[in-house]
Amino acid sequence: NAGVMQNPRHLVRRRGQEARLRCSPMKGHSHVYWYRQLPEEGLKFMVYLQKENIIDESGMPKERFSAEFPKEGPSILRIQQVVRGDSAAYFCASSPMDRGLIETQYFGPGTRLLVL
Amino acid sequence: GQSLEQPSEVTAVEGAIVQINCTYQTSGFYGLSWYQQHDGGAPTFLSYNALDGLEETGRFSSFLSRSDSYGYLLLQELQMKDSASYFCAVRALESGAGSYQLTFGKGTKLSVIP
Repeated sequence: NAGVMQNPRHLVRRRGQEARLRCSPMKGHSHVYWYRQLPEEGLKFMVYLQKENIIDESGMPKERFSAEFPKEGPSILRIQQVVRGDSAAYFCASSPMDRGLIETQYFGPGTRLLVL
Repeated sequence: GQSLEQPSEVTAVEGAIVQINCTYQTSGFYGLSWYQQHDGGAPTFLSYNALDGLEETGRFSSFLSRSDSYGYLLLQELQMKDSASYFCAVRALESGAGSYQLTFGKGTKLSVIP
């Protein structure tokens, strides 16, 4: 059973470009969470999605950031017009159901975004 | 909102026992989770406590005291591979709709030395 997959693992962008981060949850999981982690910091919740629905995006900046989880295909975290402050590790996690197992999340390897 | 406090660094000797504490402040509370993260790696779920007491899983145990808003992770028979960062996390019930957010502490960097 493949784990959570994220690609790319490393992404370099210049200021003003767009970054697209992809996440495929574990097989059988329909709940996806995105987190951002700065060096020496904990993970910060960004958004929680189910298939075709954004359930909670309260941790996501209002501008330039968007997320989707289409019926088919991976979840996408999109950052438009990147700035240097967006440089961080972005982790995706999945769980098989809501409420009952939110505390047990399976994380992908992360995408390290570097904005030059 | 929620806040969690845990020590930033701990050093322990191989074969010893180490305890990593976590205190939390939340407006409501479901339970306390622990995650391990090696440098450059992904967080890995270790344990979850919803009720008071000690939960044991092999060399790792986790404890919760809801009345004290306190928990700890206990690592026994330390091995070099246990060197990693350890995060406590809570899902707290915010006013209004239930919360789907896990809030993480800043992590405790454990260094195991020979």
